[in-house]
Amino acid sequence: DTGVSQDPRHKITKRGQNVTFRCDPISEHNRLYWYRQTLGQGPEFLTYFQNEAQLEKSRLLSDRFSAERPKGSFSTLEIQRTEQGDSAMYLCASSPRLEEGYGYTFGSGTRLTVV
Amino acid sequence: AQSVTQPDIHITVSEGASLELRCNYSYGATPYLFWYVQSPGQGLQLLLKYFSGDTLVQGIKGFEAEFKRSQSSFNLRKPSVHWSDAAEYFCAVGDYKLSFGAGTTVTVRA
Repeated sequence: DTGVSQDPRHKITKRGQNVTFRCDPISEHNRLYWYRQTLGQGPEFLTYFQNEAQLEKSRLLSDRFSAERPKGSFSTLEIQRTEQGDSAMYLCASSPRLEEGYGYTFGSGTRLTVV
Repeated sequence: AQSVTQPDIHITVSEGASLELRCNYSYGATPYLFWYVQSPGQGLQLLLKYFSGDTLVQGIKGFEAEFKRSQSSFNLRKPSVHWSDAAEYFCAVGDYKLSFGAGTTVTVRA
């Protein structure tokens, strides 16, 4: 088990372009989460999946954002028509049921810079 | 609504001295509480968590935290700080969805 993997680590894109990030969770974890972290702030919840079902989306997730987890394994987060305000670190995490006494395991994140 | 307040934005501590980071939370039920550490440009590493039971929780890297329901607090402590403890520390509360504080940056001076 290599933990939660995120790709790419860094992405620089021009305003208006679309970007897609990938997250590979720990294989036995059925829950997967996306968070966004801006400079000097703690992470903010964006969305979460249980297996392939997207169960909750934050109001932060505008209609330019879409997340998928097609087979209940890896997940992708796509941002369409990027804006400078989208510049942030995008963190993925996975967990088993928290009731089982486990916390999240986070990936190293994807740093997005929109120029 | 759930929320976390970390009152200290930045703490400087001498190597070998003790460290305490404050965390106050707001949560409607019995909380799940977490402390994470983040090094520059990296993801978050779980230091410790409280789910139930003993209110003094031991974590990795010599850290511990104490849950005090009456004060809605979950403060993080380390008896003797090492230079490698310089990082940003986040307190979080929640169940499937975590709310994080804004973080406390710890600087360790020689």
